[in-house]
Amino acid sequence: AQSVTQLGSHVSVSEGALVLLRCNYSSSVPPYLFWYVQYPNQGLQLLLKYTSAATLVKGINGFEAEFKKSETSFHLTKPSAHMSDAAEYFCAVEGSGGYQKVTFGTGTKLQVIP
Amino acid sequence: SAVISQKPSRDICQRGTSLTIQCQVDSQVTMMFWYRQQPGQSLTLIATANQGSEATYESGFVIDKFPISRPNLTFSTLTVSNMSPEDSSIYLCSVLKGQGRGEQYFGPGTRLTVT
Repeated sequence: AQSVTQLGSHVSVSEGALVLLRCNYSSSVPPYLFWYVQYPNQGLQLLLKYTSAATLVKGINGFEAEFKKSETSFHLTKPSAHMSDAAEYFCAVEGSGGYQKVTFGTGTKLQVIP
Repeated sequence: SAVISQKPSRDICQRGTSLTIQCQVDSQVTMMFWYRQQPGQSLTLIATANQGSEATYESGFVIDKFPISRPNLTFSTLTVSNMSPEDSSIYLCSVLKGQGRGEQYFGPGTRLTVT
């Protein structure tokens, strides 16, 4: 079985400040990990993914995430928040070894304060 | 990548009726998925739809309530049958494409309100 836990359903940051969205996973096999973003009234868009290569993964819009096996974490960061980053962010996990069901976290809504 | 469209984008329906949601992809894909996203919650997988075979439903979802068709590699429909207010939700179609294992592309969703 696999699961993800996103700490904080709402996060507020000032424009220009560091964005840190937390995700911890549980998986019985080496996982594939993803971050998706959902803007209002839209579907989900892939930000970045970890697939057992480099532990520091860079994605679109200046976001990156670091896979830390010892901490079972995959936190999402961005050095400087922009107003356009306001959205909901979902962490997701899939077990490796062939396609398995992707499990999504409960989401973190990011608010950017001008 | 993949471009996915869904119809309708939103609808308001009366209880007891049914609604069919269409999902169209701009290229052929093997695996298509239907998710439900209830207000303020995460995504819950309803079923996986592969062309040429019966859809595979997740625990808590049944074919009588959510019949799915997958007539070809670019199209699928999800029907929400005998609707109740508890079915009010966003329904999302997604596809799994190419080498991107687990990397899904999502449609814009169908926002359903049942009164």
